[in-house]
Amino acid sequence: AQKITQTQPGMFVQEKEAVTLDCTYDTSDQSYGLFWYKQPSSGEMIFLIYQGSYDEQNATEGRYSLNFQKARKSANLVISASQLGDSAMYFCAMSPSSGGYQKVTFGTGTKLQVIP
Amino acid sequence: EAQVTQNPRYLITVTGKKLTVTCSQNMNHEYMSWYRQDPGLGLRQIYYSMNVEVTDKGDVPEGYKVSRKEKRNFPLILESPSPNQTSLYFCASSLRTRGGNEQFFGPGTRLTVL
Repeated sequence: AQKITQTQPGMFVQEKEAVTLDCTYDTSDQSYGLFWYKQPSSGEMIFLIYQGSYDEQNATEGRYSLNFQKARKSANLVISASQLGDSAMYFCAMSPSSGGYQKVTFGTGTKLQVIP
Repeated sequence: EAQVTQNPRYLITVTGKKLTVTCSQNMNHEYMSWYRQDPGLGLRQIYYSMNVEVTDKGDVPEGYKVSRKEKRNFPLILESPSPNQTSLYFCASSLRTRGGNEQFFGPGTRLTVL
């Protein structure tokens, strides 16, 4: 069984500062993928970044990077130079990746508020 | 425009009255999935489908049915809705060729069961 844990229900960050959102996971699969999604107050789900379990380098997408520590089973999202538009809920998720998408497990989310 | 559409967007109904929430995607994706979102619980997967006529249970399938007769459509059926099914529902789709493809989400359906 897969499990995702996000221990920070809410966080504040000053505009232009960097922030790290925590995500730990548990799975018995050897091959899996880790994802982060953003949900603004408008409600839509926006894909941010993906990390495969066999990827040797940490994923980066613009201001987003994923700090992947396989031995610790953590996949923290780092947002650099926070902007007011980054205020949103952030969800970590995982899925087995051998054979493509199957069951997907999400965490409970972290609400990020960026302060001017 | 590539998109996932859901209908209706908002629905208020009463206990026991059967309803269907439709989901359609125009991206020729093999994989489709339904989630429900509840405060403090994040998103939980209800059912998923890896291709036409192939469906499987997610973490919270009780009280729901799905079907995948066509690749583009994946309706969610509540045969006898109950108040604990009041929630925000999302449909999503993805290519299934490898697990790293992002899921494209629909706009959500807010369901209230009285």
